[in-house]
Amino acid sequence: AQSVTQPDIHITVSEGASLELRCNYSYGATPYLFWYVQSPGQGLQLLLKYFSGDTLVQGIKGFEAEFKRSQSSFNLRKPSVHWSDAAEYFCASGAGSYQLTFGKGTKLSVIP
Amino acid sequence: NAGVTQTPKFQVLKTGQSMTLQCAQDMNHEYMSWYRQDPGMGLRLIHYSVGAGITDQGEVPNGYNVSRSTTEDFPLRLLSAAPSQTSVYFCASSSSLAGNTIYFGEGSWLTVV
Repeated sequence: AQSVTQPDIHITVSEGASLELRCNYSYGATPYLFWYVQSPGQGLQLLLKYFSGDTLVQGIKGFEAEFKRSQSSFNLRKPSVHWSDAAEYFCASGAGSYQLTFGKGTKLSVIP
Repeated sequence: NAGVTQTPKFQVLKTGQSMTLQCAQDMNHEYMSWYRQDPGMGLRLIHYSVGAGITDQGEVPNGYNVSRSTTEDFPLRLLSAAPSQTSVYFCASSSSLAGNTIYFGEGSWLTVV
């Protein structure tokens, strides 16, 4: 069975600092990979996705992620965090877009 | 273009009652899925469909039923609600012909007492 691991349950960063959220997946082939963000009581917003091609993916809100096959990782990065980035972040993978396995999420807190 | 529409948004059920969460999409997507979200667990796949008339189980299918009689609709049925089914439910749709971008509904908050 596929699995997605987000090792950090909660991360706190200062506004303006850089951010990296970790995600490791287990899947034999190259899976479909996604990062979503969710604010409390809200739905999911897609930040970026990777299916194939260039391993560095640019997303919305200044986020990027890098696919590293050798490490089975798809870490999310942002060079300078804004207070509005405080939310919960989910990594997901799947053999297809209809059958995703999600990580348990990383909650991001931002100190002004 | 409404995207993915879920109803109801909020529901309180008594243990043992049955109900159906509705999901409809107007994008002619072949793929549709149901997930549940519980605190600290992320989203978990309940059932999915790759086309009208085709459904399959996900990670947590027990206690739920689905059918896909049309491309547009993918209802999720709770046969006999249990407190363990208290959760937030998300419906999603996507299409290989549309870049596999996944569209999620706004969620349905279900409480079973």
